[in-house]
Amino acid sequence: EADIYQTPRYLVIGTGKKITLECSQTMGHDKMYWYQQDPGMELHLIHYSYGVNSTEKGDLSSESTVSRIRTEHFPLTLESARPSHTSQYLCASMTGGLGYTFGSGTRLTVV
Amino acid sequence: AQKVTQAQTEISVVEKEDVTLDCVYETRDTTYYLFWYKQPPSGELVFLIRRNSFDEQNEISGRYSWNFQKSTSSFNFTITASQVVDSAVYFCALSGRWGSNYQLIWGAGTKLIIKP
Repeated sequence: EADIYQTPRYLVIGTGKKITLECSQTMGHDKMYWYQQDPGMELHLIHYSYGVNSTEKGDLSSESTVSRIRTEHFPLTLESARPSHTSQYLCASMTGGLGYTFGSGTRLTVV
Repeated sequence: AQKVTQAQTEISVVEKEDVTLDCVYETRDTTYYLFWYKQPPSGELVFLIRRNSFDEQNEISGRYSWNFQKSTSSFNFTITASQVVDSAVYFCALSGRWGSNYQLIWGAGTKLIIKP
């Protein structure tokens, strides 16, 4: 049973739309992460948070934004989706230095 | 700087063959963790193993085994008697000493294809 949940699993949306990808975890982890990944390719860190009201940009420049108002919730928002945003988005959480737990991912297609 | 190298981009073997996935890492930390994750075609990342830098014992779990060698900075993963269900992309990752580095450094992944 998953302890970190991402919704939606799949999303097809038109160019210019605003979208929010949801990520929630029930483990009380303080550290959470968003990765962007084309299928089977390298993982690119786009945002991370080490606690409530703490967010940072990752290594890969992204037009998305994140918020961390509650420990368990770390949503990612695209204000205006473009075809270049088509990818898989993976959310993860971690406690201490003991590795990540990943959600199932959201596969986004922008048409 | 920390770095993880998975030199094998893609490996293709016939079912029941043994296969080894290579992982070489670089770090200046004396305490660190190494990980392997599996990503099947469905896309989720599945944790397989964590090994800390003080534990060089080899690990075996069913058909999976891991060989950690600090002398060569390698953490290789072997699947014995491979099965079609083992087909996936496998990622090796590294983290710094506990409490000081909260991000994993990822290899580029190795795509493993098991043919029936």
